[in-house]
Amino acid sequence: GQQVKQSSPSLTVQEGGISILNCDYENDMFDYFAWYKKYPDNSPTLLISVRSNVDKREDGRLTVFLNKSGKHFSLHITASQPEDTAVYLCAADSNYQLIWGSGTKLIIKP
Amino acid sequence: NAGVIQTPRHKVTGKGQEATLWCEPISGHSAVFWYRQTIVQGLEFLTYFRNQAPIDDSGMPKERFSAQMPNQSHSTLKIQSTQPQDSAVYLCASSLQFNQDTQYFGPGTRLLVL
Repeated sequence: GQQVKQSSPSLTVQEGGISILNCDYENDMFDYFAWYKKYPDNSPTLLISVRSNVDKREDGRLTVFLNKSGKHFSLHITASQPEDTAVYLCAADSNYQLIWGSGTKLIIKP
Repeated sequence: NAGVIQTPRHKVTGKGQEATLWCEPISGHSAVFWYRQTIVQGLEFLTYFRNQAPIDDSGMPKERFSAQMPNQSHSTLKIQSTQPQDSAVYLCASSLQFNQDTQYFGPGTRLLVL
């Protein structure tokens, strides 16, 4: 079964709003959680990551929230902009092998 | 820093032909990973090298796929007798140390098997 799941294949947000992307995982041993951004025809680029010893990390407009008991982590993008439109992939890792979600396509409407 | 380099960017092969994909990791990175990306499966792990040694190839199809890392500056992924279902984007990534999780991805090689 899928160890990392992104249940929403797409999300549309109005420009200026908050985009919330969600990811669920199954493996208790995961200790690293990341969000990657992928433009069409481009490889994934790391946006932000967090270790399991923290439950929140902010970087500019991006915030990762980690809920270990719920096996869930999310990416919040504030003041969403049209250039945020892309596919966002979540990934988790317990050793060296990143396990990927299937991606959520985020569309920011002007 | 040129980042991870992958060549070719695009490759079209006929069914049954061989395809070799190249990856040059970021200089000084000791871990190299290969992934395959398809619309249906998303991103799948294929194999991983640490200090040029193959560590885990659990994601590699057992037949027809092989990967090597003859030196620290490049790795190859070879697909023999290519099939249409091998069509995908093949991504190479490297990280500084095997237990450092930030993986830097190359642009990928888009393989199309006709």
